Amino acid sequence: DSGVTQTPKHLITATGQRVTLRCSPRSGDLSVYWYQQSLDQGLQFLIQYYNGEERAKGNILERFSAQQFPDLHSELNLSSLELGDSALYFCASSDGTGRAPNSPLHFGNGTRLTVT
Amino acid sequence: AQKITQTQPGMFVQEKEAVTLDCTYDTSDPSYGLFWYKQPSSGEMIFLIYQGSYDQQNATEGRYSLNFQKARKSANLVISASQLGDSAMYFCAMSVGAALIFGKGTTLSVSS
Repeated sequence: DSGVTQTPKHLITATGQRVTLRCSPRSGDLSVYWYQQSLDQGLQFLIQYYNGEERAKGNILERFSAQQFPDLHSELNLSSLELGDSALYFCASSDGTGRAPNSPLHFGNGTRLTVT
Repeated sequence: AQKITQTQPGMFVQEKEAVTLDCTYDTSDPSYGLFWYKQPSSGEMIFLIYQGSYDQQNATEGRYSLNFQKARKSANLVISASQLGDSAMYFCAMSVGAALIFGKGTTLSVSS
């Protein structure tokens, strides 16, 4: 068990809808990362937060947004969903400073999103 | 541009044998980290081993070792004494700025 909790485990929704994925990092970890895993794109970095502030952005679409709350949990919001957004979404946390990972990212079990 | 390459889509090994999974990387940053993760069919991502670019010795964690050849820009994972439970997808990753970038992965199948 990595200590990172993601909910829900599965989500099925229709095109055009909006969903929120939730992540609780490991106790003490200040950095939270979001990744998307799909068969064609592999594991893609979306966004990182460190202690409530956005630290880095990757290949995140404008329809997607995230935030990290004062209690350090994070939410990833996906809106105007398309079929191609179907993927496994991972949250990861680390105890690093958030500037350059020299400590491992610990991943949650992911949220499997299916857009129909 | 920073890049991670895993050229072996699939590898097959018998129980108790050793196996090497290849990973090459490209970066112009002198400070970076290299990571290996395991993803079983259940889907979770499990951290295996880490190597820093300034580390003089190859990293080892139990049956896992990282064969780090800086001049060749390679960071191969060696699994000794393979077990059936090692069957999974293995990802090599490199720290790039604040995040990790991942290779496409190698599927390892261990047979009895």
